Amino acid sequence: EAQVTQNPRYLITVTGKKLTVTCSQNMNHEYMSWYRQDPGLGLRQIYYSMNVEVTDKGDVPEGYKVSRKEKRNFPLILESPSPNQTSLYFCASSLPGSVNQYFGPGTRLLVL
Amino acid sequence: QQQVKQSPQSLIVQKGGISIINCAYENTAFDYFPWYQQFPGKGPALLIAIRPDVSEKKEGRFTISFNKSAKQFSLHIMDSQPGDSATYFCAAAKAAGNKLTFGGGTRVLVKP
Repeated sequence: EAQVTQNPRYLITVTGKKLTVTCSQNMNHEYMSWYRQDPGLGLRQIYYSMNVEVTDKGDVPEGYKVSRKEKRNFPLILESPSPNQTSLYFCASSLPGSVNQYFGPGTRLLVL
Repeated sequence: QQQVKQSPQSLIVQKGGISIINCAYENTAFDYFPWYQQFPGKGPALLIAIRPDVSEKKEGRFTISFNKSAKQFSLHIMDSQPGDSATYFCAAAKAAGNKLTFGGGTRVLVKP
């Protein structure tokens, strides 16, 4: 089954404790992206990757890091989480030049 | 500053009624306008999309209307069903790339 998976689905952490949210897709998509969803603000892009070892900032990159060492994986790293990073996070993937993005099930993060 | 503004934030409609969601954009470089549907606990999924060379696109009970001069587009859900209860996001993109800019979302509740 074609899908995007994210882990963990739920995470409660404390300010400053580094965490990683994993994302993996099995569709051989070149393009991958991370979004955060906040009420009234829709989905805002954090980082994206056009291919392996090619990443770039989205609209709200502050406080986040990403890496793309393999085509299928695109982890999101919060080096020092803060409460304003409490949000619902989605990973997505697509073929290059396609705006039909396939989204993962989401990771709900609470930073205390 | 949101580049894509969506209204209303929420809407309640009776079964069989029409749901209407409106979006407006600023950037005239956008030339692809998808709508995504998100059920609780799930990631968004592409519902229907339109390019500005047509004024309307219909897929089943879902219709997008597009007004290029006004830089507005809308989603109409005809004969709304309880299974349509979800959050709907409009988005805009430059067709050649992958970046999606989302509206704030509309939570639709269809009452039986």
